[in-house]
Parts: sequence; C-alpha cells; structure tokens
Amino acid sequence: DAGVTQSPTHLIKTRGQQVTLRCSPISGHKSVSWYQQVLGQGPQFIFQYYEKEERGRGNFPDRFSARQFPNYSSELNVNALLLGDSALYLCASSLWSGAFSYEQYFGPGTRLTVT
Amino acid sequence: GESVGLHLPTLSVQEGDNSIINCAYSNSASDYFIWYKQESGKGPQFIIDIRSNMDKRQGQRVTVLLNKTVKHLSLQIAATQPGDSAVYFCAENAAGGTSYGKLTFGQGTILTVHP
Repeated sequence: DAGVTQSPTHLIKTRGQQVTLRCSPISGHKSVSWYQQVLGQGPQFIFQYYEKEERGRGNFPDRFSARQFPNYSSELNVNALLLGDSALYLCASSLWSGAFSYEQYFGPGTRLTVT
Repeated sequence: GESVGLHLPTLSVQEGDNSIINCAYSNSASDYFIWYKQESGKGPQFIIDIRSNMDKRQGQRVTVLLNKTVKHLSLQIAATQPGDSAVYFCAENAAGGTSYGKLTFGQGTILTVHP
C-alpha cells in the first residue's frame, strides 16, 4: 500500500516568492494535517483539513493557507516567503473523524529552502 | 500554553541493551500520545500510541508507559539495534473541539546505538 506522498521533494525559492506544496494521503484517509519542522526541532502544527474543510489551525501567519480536494489530497501555499520559512514541510494523513484522536502517518516531507 | 518536552536530548546505548526515552508534558487536557521515530531525511514514523485511559501499552520490542499523575511518558525499546538509531519524538493531542488533529511535539531525543 502506498503511504503518504508529497511533492516536490526539494524546492529552492527566493524571498518574496510564493510556493505550493502537495500531499496525497493514504487511501481511505480523509484527514490531512500540515506541519513545519525547522532543523533541530519537532514538527509544528500548521493546519488540519477533514472532508475539505479546515478543522484546525496553528499559530502561523496568514501567508500560510491550504486546501483539500474532493479526492482528499491537499495543497499548502505560502506567500511572500521569508528566510525563516526554510524548513521541512510534512504532511500527515489520518482516519480522524472528529470524535477521537487517531494516529497520524507522515509523508517524507518537502524540503523548502528560501534564499 | 501547551508544551511537550524531553528530559534527555541524547542517549547512547550498546546494541542489545534496553533503551528508555522520557518525555514530560504540561497540558493536563492531553488524552492521546504518540511516539515517532525520525531518521535523517525522512518523515516521522509512527511507533506506538496510548490513550489516557491506559497506563501501559506494548508493541513489538517497544513499550509506552503513561503516568498522568506526574504528566510523564516514556518509550522503552528492548534489545536495541543499530537500526533503532534515530531521533525520537513524543507528541500529544488534547481532546475536544478543533484540537483532535493537532499534535504537539517535543524537541526530540537522539538515540545512538553502538554495535
């Protein structure tokens, strides 16, 4: 079975540019969460989407946005990139239905470098 | 605010030894905990989870212990192998509202297993 997939693997952008990251969840999973992991730290929660609706948002500026498609895949968009946005962006999928917490399975991540 | 922290940033063991990785959490509303293993260049890999109505759960070579009285979580790895070398994160989730999909991670413990 395919796990969580993310694209692209690596990305280099210039300050001020915009970036779109993509994620496909495990088949059957309807929940997708996005996390940012800065080198040397644990992942930080950005968003959760379930059934195409935003169900949770972390402490990130409005430059960060996301959406989920009918096939449950998701995109994370970051506008007006800053050097501090350089990080590993992780996508996690889950069977989460809104009632209980479920294990989240992570993809390999997209390494974003902002120069 | 919510936080999950680790007592030991690094742990070195000999192959075949048992390893214990500790984690403290501060959010008394947390009711679900996960341990992840992250190897260099990869996304976090689910190891084991535990809900707050349990104090112990066992998997293959791993055991998670939860002490809600002192808000402490530990991961025990039996017969540690070189392939267990990685960064280990504990993560917690608080029940209710839009929090179900949000995992809060600690900074991680680097486990090094020497042959």
